[in-house]
Amino acid sequence: NAGVMQNPRHLVRRRGQEARLRCSPMKGHSHVYWYRQLPEEGLKFMVYLQKENIIDESGMPKERFSAEFPKEGPSILRIQQVVRGDSAAYFCASSPTLQGALNNEKLFFGSGTQLSVL
Amino acid sequence: TQLLEQSPQFLSIQEGENLTVYCNSSSVFSSLQWYRQEPGEGPVLLVTVVTGGEVKKLKRLTFQFGDARKDSSLHITAAQPGDTGLYLCAAVNTDKLIFGTGTRLQVFP
Repeated sequence: NAGVMQNPRHLVRRRGQEARLRCSPMKGHSHVYWYRQLPEEGLKFMVYLQKENIIDESGMPKERFSAEFPKEGPSILRIQQVVRGDSAAYFCASSPTLQGALNNEKLFFGSGTQLSVL
Repeated sequence: TQLLEQSPQFLSIQEGENLTVYCNSSSVFSSLQWYRQEPGEGPVLLVTVVTGGEVKKLKRLTFQFGDARKDSSLHITAAQPGDTGLYLCAAVNTDKLIFGTGTRLQVFP
């Protein structure tokens, strides 16, 4: 049973380019969460998606960042016109139910994508 | 505003020592989770505490949930180099899991 798969593991972009980060949740999971982590810091919530729906995007920057979770295929976190401050590790997590951790079910995390902006 | 504050932020100790990590908040939570994260990997759940005052043991790790369900602690007995990592507390805030500021633990042999 494959875990949460994120790719690429490492992504290098120059300022102004676009970054696309992919996340395939665990089989049977229809809820995806994206988090950002700066060095030596905890994880900051960005967005919570269900298939074809954004449930909570309160942690997403208003500009340049977008996320989707289509009916078919992985969830995509897209960062347009990247800047050096976007350099971070981006983690995806999935859960099988709407409540997820609310019912003490654990979130399953991927290994992350390390984004470096030159 | 950081809802979950962890202390200390960094901790370097020798193998065999004991340590305690704290997770504090002004908010009340229905449950609280502890994760450990190793470099280059995502966090892995260690435990979930649900009841105020609850104590859970996982080998040399002891987790406690405060009576008021606003804080929690993680105590490690006789730390080993394999305990090295980033320890994160987490709690549900509306519909999402939020994480604490993290404690980076380094155990030297």
